[in-house]
Amino acid sequence: DTGVSQNPRHKITKRGQNVTFRCDPISEHNRLYWYRQTLGQGPEFLTYFQNEAQLEKSRLLSDRFSAERPKGSFSTLEIQRTEQGDSAMYLCASSLALDRVHTEAFFGQGTRLTVV
Amino acid sequence: RKEVEQDPGPFNVPEGATVAFNCTYSNSASQSFFWYRQDCRKEPKLLMSVYSSGNEDGRFTAQLNRASQYISLLIRDSKLSDSATYLCVVTGNFNKFYFGSGTKLNVKP
Repeated sequence: DTGVSQNPRHKITKRGQNVTFRCDPISEHNRLYWYRQTLGQGPEFLTYFQNEAQLEKSRLLSDRFSAERPKGSFSTLEIQRTEQGDSAMYLCASSLALDRVHTEAFFGQGTRLTVV
Repeated sequence: RKEVEQDPGPFNVPEGATVAFNCTYSNSASQSFFWYRQDCRKEPKLLMSVYSSGNEDGRFTAQLNRASQYISLLIRDSKLSDSATYLCVVTGNFNKFYFGSGTKLNVKP
């Protein structure tokens, strides 16, 4: 399977715990995005990378959220001291952006986080 | 103002009907436009890209109006399997993808 892969698919955690999600993008894609989606809403931008560089982080994102893409391949999203409001689907997407060429974004199946 | 705005619906239509969705975007410098389909509790998947000249794929037709900053999606001869949420996606500065909140379509027998 050469699509975008996310792990775990589901995560239930107690409030206050830290969680980490992983995303493996399509191998030749240089862009990697993280989005959060709650029921009835479209995906909300969290952050994105071009290769290993984090280009932007949403101002809506608190300091409890951090993302890395250390070698320009897979990425991790960590949430520290989780709160119930963090419960959502976390989606990862990748795309290829080269000068004027930019493919669509391909999504992974998401990680559904439930904070209890 | 949101980067991309859509009517959330739901649009409830009978099988065989024609239905159209519109989406407006705020950044006049946007370069790429897409429609994605999202089934309940699944990830979004590309339905079609939207080109300046418009494009058609079977029962689906997408149009772009740069002057008025909106894109549209027309679905002809609706099928039960078309029931889903349709997300409008626009690329903004540095080609970041912006999503609308989605339009829910229910096709009924």
